[in-house]
Amino acid sequence: DQQVKQNSPSLSVQEGRISILNCDYTNSMFDYFLWYKKYPAEGPTFLISISSIKDKNEDGRFTVFLNKSAKHLSLHIVPSQPGDSAVYFCAALKNFGNEKLTFGTGTRLTIIP
Amino acid sequence: DSGVTQTPKHLITATGQRVTLRCSPRSGDLSVYWYQQSLDQGLQFLIQYYNGEERAKGNILERFSAQQFPDLHSELNLSSLELGDSALYFCASSVVSGGAGTQYFGPGTRLTVL
Repeated sequence: DQQVKQNSPSLSVQEGRISILNCDYTNSMFDYFLWYKKYPAEGPTFLISISSIKDKNEDGRFTVFLNKSAKHLSLHIVPSQPGDSAVYFCAALKNFGNEKLTFGTGTRLTIIP
Repeated sequence: DSGVTQTPKHLITATGQRVTLRCSPRSGDLSVYWYQQSLDQGLQFLIQYYNGEERAKGNILERFSAQQFPDLHSELNLSSLELGDSALYFCASSVVSGGAGTQYFGPGTRLTVL
C-alpha cells in the first residue's frame, strides 16, 4: 500500500527553467511533509519541508506547495541548475512527533544545459 | 558530508548467511533510524532507536534485528539472508526523536545476496 506516490519516475528540464516535481498522498493523517534530494552513491539530503497548517514554504530557489484537499504537494525549483540533477523523494510524517518517515518512490530530475 | 557514517559500503554474501551493518550517527544525535531501499522502490522505514532504546518499528522482518549501543552507534543484523534482501540500507540520525527533527542520512550500505 503506497501511501506516498510520485507518479513521474523521471523529468527533464532545460537549465534556467522551472522544475516542478509532484507528490500525492492517500493518508489524511499525514501532517508534515519533506523533500529529500539524492545523488548517486550518497544518502538522501534534506531539502525543504512544510507543515500541514501551511500551504507554501519557500527557501531560496525551492518552494513547496501543499494542497490538503487534493492531498497533493509539489516542489518548484526555479531557476533550475545542472547541479539540481538528482533523484527527489517526497516523504511524509504522521502525527507530528511520530518518527516514521514514509517515502515516495522518487523522481529522477535531469537538467539539460 | 552528512556526518553519518556507515560501514561497510558494499557487502556481497550468500543466501542463508548473516551480516551486520554498522552506523555511527552525527555527533550529538541521539536518534538512529534504519531504512531499506530495494530496486526502484522508495525508502522503507525499518526501525528507530533513541538513546539506546527502541522507539518505533516499521515493516522489519523477524530475521532482522538492531540495537543501539551506549556510544550511540547502531548495528543492523540481517540473518538467514534471502535473494530479496538485496538492497541499499540507509542509516539516518537526528538530534530529537520525531517531529521536525531533520534526519541526516549516511551514504548507505549496498547488500548483494547471491
